[in-house]
Amino acid sequence: DVKVTQSSRYLVKRTGEKVFLECVQDMDHENMFWYRQDPGLGLRLIYFSYDVKMKEKGDIPEGYSVSREKKERFSLILESASTNQTSMYLCASSRRDRVWGETQYFGPGTRLLVL
Amino acid sequence: DQQVKQNSPSLSVQEGRISILNCDYTNSMFDYFLWYKKYPAEGPTFLISISSIKDKNEDGRFTVFLNKSAKHLSLHIVPSQPGDSAVYFCAASGGTGGFKTIFGAGTRLFVKA
Repeated sequence: DVKVTQSSRYLVKRTGEKVFLECVQDMDHENMFWYRQDPGLGLRLIYFSYDVKMKEKGDIPEGYSVSREKKERFSLILESASTNQTSMYLCASSRRDRVWGETQYFGPGTRLLVL
Repeated sequence: DQQVKQNSPSLSVQEGRISILNCDYTNSMFDYFLWYKKYPAEGPTFLISISSIKDKNEDGRFTVFLNKSAKHLSLHIVPSQPGDSAVYFCAASGGTGGFKTIFGAGTRLFVKA
């Protein structure tokens, strides 16, 4: 059974704090992603990684950084949390399926509240 | 610029009837179109997809139709069940985006018993 886990389900942080969100996958997938989900905006890509130590900016990278030191682990870092970063954060990994295309497997999400 | 659009934020359907969720896209280079389902407090899960070379794909109660000339796809759920109540995201991948996936804003489906 494939699995993507995220370190926290709920987090409350203060403005200006540095925040670490951890994601681990056990499927040996090359590609990993961080999204945020906001009402009416769907899933927006923050950063993605296609290999260890490789990373690419997504659509909304400002205020975030990432780290991928091991294949199974992809971390999202909020350098200085702000209230507009209050959101649901979703991690995913993906594989190319011959029939279904590039399918993504998501973690349960981390709901972050920045006060 | 929204490349994948779901114009209906919500849809309400009676149990046993058909649910039709719609999606439009702008980039003709996408090679796969996918649907994901999301329950509250859970991550999205893959539901069904279709290759750009096909116009229909079905899996049990779920069928996806692709109209390339209109750049439109739809997900049909027949018959709808209360357990289908969730948010459904349309997504597209491939083309110049490679393995990146572009998601729509989602449609919340309510299936009434």
